[in-house]
Amino acid sequence: NAGVTQTPKFRILKIGQSMTLQCTQDMNHNYMYWYRQDPGMGLKLIYYSVGAGITDKGEVPNGYNVSRSTTEDFPLRLELAAPSQTSVYFCASGPGQGASNSPLHFGNGTRLTVT
Amino acid sequence: AQSVTQPDIHITVSEGASLELRCNYSYGATPYLFWYVQSPGQGLQLLLKYFSGDTLVQGIKGFEAEFKRSQSSFNLRKPSVHWSDAAEYFCAVGGGTGGGNKLTFGTGTQLKVEL
Repeated sequence: NAGVTQTPKFRILKIGQSMTLQCTQDMNHNYMYWYRQDPGMGLKLIYYSVGAGITDKGEVPNGYNVSRSTTEDFPLRLELAAPSQTSVYFCASGPGQGASNSPLHFGNGTRLTVT
Repeated sequence: AQSVTQPDIHITVSEGASLELRCNYSYGATPYLFWYVQSPGQGLQLLLKYFSGDTLVQGIKGFEAEFKRSQSSFNLRKPSVHWSDAAEYFCAVGGGTGGGNKLTFGTGTQLKVEL
């Protein structure tokens, strides 16, 4: 019963490098989300998806891209890493509109440092 | 736009003492309200949720929360705190229909428990 799995757990990037944060869920959830968490700021929504092939911007999408080719996977791409992207990234999933009162399930996070 | 305010950044209580964490929300319709807990290095775990009905909801680990529409509040309480309750607590608000069921989080309250 894996739930939401994020890889890697930790990563250090140099400015200008690119990387993909992986997220996969095995609960057949339609909705998936990427949040970033910064100290004292709570969680901010980066992007979300309501189903395979559908993505939309959240509150802080600049500098990121996503894709949703399958129900299970929702990778987050950083093309040109910047120090402002140093953060902890959380992926979450939920069953979706028909069961919109169900809570989100979170992964354990990816801690990213950009230097 | 929906928003959540957690006015207390840090709270320290003695083990065995009662606890109340404050949460105020802003939302244009009937809110869906959640409390999550985050232990160090972990993802967020759902403590409890409110959608409708009884305004006093019970959650895991002995926590409860009361929805007060007139005060736009959803405060979290526990009668007797255990040392293992030390963690960061997040209040969140979301809509039940449309908008991708996105959650908006507060900035969190860090709970320290003194033995």
